[in-house]
Amino acid sequence: AQKVTQAQTEISVVEKEDVTLDCVYETRDTTYYLFWYKQPPSGELVFLIRRNSFDEQNEISGRYSWNFQKSTSSFNFTITASQVVDSAVYFCALSPYSGGSNYKLTFGKGTLLTVNP
Amino acid sequence: KAGVTQTPRYLIKTRGQQVTLSCSPISGHRSVSWYQQTPGQGLQFLFEYFSETQRNKGNFPGRFSGRQFSNSRSEMNVSTLELGDSALYLCASSLSRDRGNTGELFFGEGSRLTVL
Repeated sequence: AQKVTQAQTEISVVEKEDVTLDCVYETRDTTYYLFWYKQPPSGELVFLIRRNSFDEQNEISGRYSWNFQKSTSSFNFTITASQVVDSAVYFCALSPYSGGSNYKLTFGKGTLLTVNP
Repeated sequence: KAGVTQTPRYLIKTRGQQVTLSCSPISGHRSVSWYQQTPGQGLQFLFEYFSETQRNKGNFPGRFSGRQFSNSRSEMNVSTLELGDSALYLCASSLSRDRGNTGELFFGEGSRLTVL
């Protein structure tokens, strides 16, 4: 069975602070996908990143960066110089790699990030 | 490019009734997945359809069903509604796993169902 744990239920920061959202996962699959999604108050889940299990390179996209460490089963997400518009619920998710099943995502419970001006 | 469209956005039903939710995927997307989001259980996978066939199914009772039409539009149905079915139902579409596909799921804004 697959499991995703986001231990931080809520985080509150002041604008321009850096913030890291933690994600720990469990799976018996040797290959899998990891995702991060953002859910603003409108409800729509916005895709942020997908990472293959065999690609452990860290990735940076603007103010966003992701640290994937297979040895500790973690896929953490850092927002640098946070902004009020970053306020949302962030979900980490895991899916099998095998063809046809990669759309069955297992989500963590989410982390509510509030960025105060 | 139009996104994933879900209708209705909000609806209220009473226990025992049934409900049908609709999802129009992004043009060209052939896979449609459904997820239920509740405060207690979080986001849970319901089922996924590809080319009118159910490819994957989550752990939900038979009261939850779905289908996909030849134009890739999908509907899900919940019969004999229970209070616990109150949730945000999210639909996501994606390309098939062809070469070059990112495997990215594009979500709609959801249908918020309240069961009284």
